[in-house]
Amino acid sequence: DVKVTQSSRYLVKRTGEKVFLECVQDMDHENMFWYRQDPGLGLRLIYFSYDVKMKEKGDIPEGYSVSREKKERFSLILESASTNQTSMYLCASSFSGPGELFFGEGSRLTVL
Amino acid sequence: GQNIDQPTEMTATEGAIVQINCTYQTSGFNGLFWYQQHAGEAPTFLSYNVLDGLEEKGRFSSFLSRSKGYSYLLLKELQMKDSASYLCAVRDGAGANNLFFGTGTRLTVIP
Repeated sequence: DVKVTQSSRYLVKRTGEKVFLECVQDMDHENMFWYRQDPGLGLRLIYFSYDVKMKEKGDIPEGYSVSREKKERFSLILESASTNQTSMYLCASSFSGPGELFFGEGSRLTVL
Repeated sequence: GQNIDQPTEMTATEGAIVQINCTYQTSGFNGLFWYQQHAGEAPTFLSYNVLDGLEEKGRFSSFLSRSKGYSYLLLKELQMKDSASYLCAVRDGAGANNLFFGTGTRLTVIP
């Protein structure tokens, strides 16, 4: 079975803190994605990556950056967390070409 | 831009059939996905349509009409465990693997 693992299920941070969300997949997928999920807004794409050291902006990249130094790992970074970044963050991965995305369990971030 | 619409909430009775509709307007189209998401859990893949018609998988079926920008997910013989959110998502262009999601339909199955 494909496994996408996110490092933290729940985090509480203060405004201005730097936050790292880690995601690891074990199926040698080329593509990895970071979404955030908010009530009434659905899943919105923050960043994605097609290959190691490669990144592309999604729909809402502002306030976020990403890192993909190894194929299996895709990190989301909040350089200076703000309260409007309180959300559920979902990592996903997939093979290149057609095919479904496999999601991690999610990381619920609260910024105070 | 991308626009994907689905009802916010639906309620249905155990053992019944329910149809969840999804309409989309996207700049391109390269497939439509349905995901199920139980509260507090990750979305899990249910179905994929890229050609017009009905795809059946057990109690779940999904239909697509590309000319109408329309899809539905049909759930038969509803069970209590089917209470979840159902997410419609569209891949908008060839070679692009990211999905655009609707806001989801929260289905409640009642006894």
